[in-house]
Amino acid sequence: NAGVTQTPKFQVLKTGQSMTLQCAQDMNHEYMSWYRQDPGMGLRLIHYSVGAGITDQGEVPNGYNVSRSTTEDFPLRLLSAAPSQTSVYFCASSYSKGQGRYEQYFGPGTRLTVT
Amino acid sequence: GQQLNQSPQSMFIQEGEDVSMNCTSSSIFNTWLWYKQDPGEGPVLLIALYKAGELTSNGRLTAQFGITRKDSFLNISASIPSDVGIYFCAGPTGNQFYFGTGTSLTVIP
Repeated sequence: NAGVTQTPKFQVLKTGQSMTLQCAQDMNHEYMSWYRQDPGMGLRLIHYSVGAGITDQGEVPNGYNVSRSTTEDFPLRLLSAAPSQTSVYFCASSYSKGQGRYEQYFGPGTRLTVT
Repeated sequence: GQQLNQSPQSMFIQEGEDVSMNCTSSSIFNTWLWYKQDPGEGPVLLIALYKAGELTSNGRLTAQFGITRKDSFLNISASIPSDVGIYFCAGPTGNQFYFGTGTSLTVIP
């Protein structure tokens, strides 16, 4: 049971380039999310999914696209990278235990630098 | 988005000392989660709490779900150097999670 996996671990992009950050989970969790973590800003939600085929925007969605074709995978696409997207990106999966009880697990992160 | 108020922001303690930190919210939660994040790593779930007043332990860590359901507490007993890291709380509203601002813990050998 690998939990939540992310690739790549590190990435450097030039402004304007596009790329996809991969995320997979093997826990059969219904919910998956993408966050970015910046110094002094904490974790901010980019996009999330409540199940295969269903996605929605979070707090900071601009410049990012997501899709969820399977329960396991939730890739994050940067359409045209900008220096403001330099950050550490975390994918997370979570599940409901009923009655408002949840658990959420994070991947190891992707450290992205845009020059 | 909503952030949970977490204190203290940082702590410098001697090895062997106990540590206490807390998290407060303006909203009621049915779940409180506590995470630890090591430098360069993803957050790791330490303890999950589901019931007001609940006290749950994980080794030297003990967390409590406040009776008002608007706060939670984490205690670390007999700290050791590997306790160094950032600890933060989280609470969900529906399936969206809100996070504390984090407590940075430094343990001095």
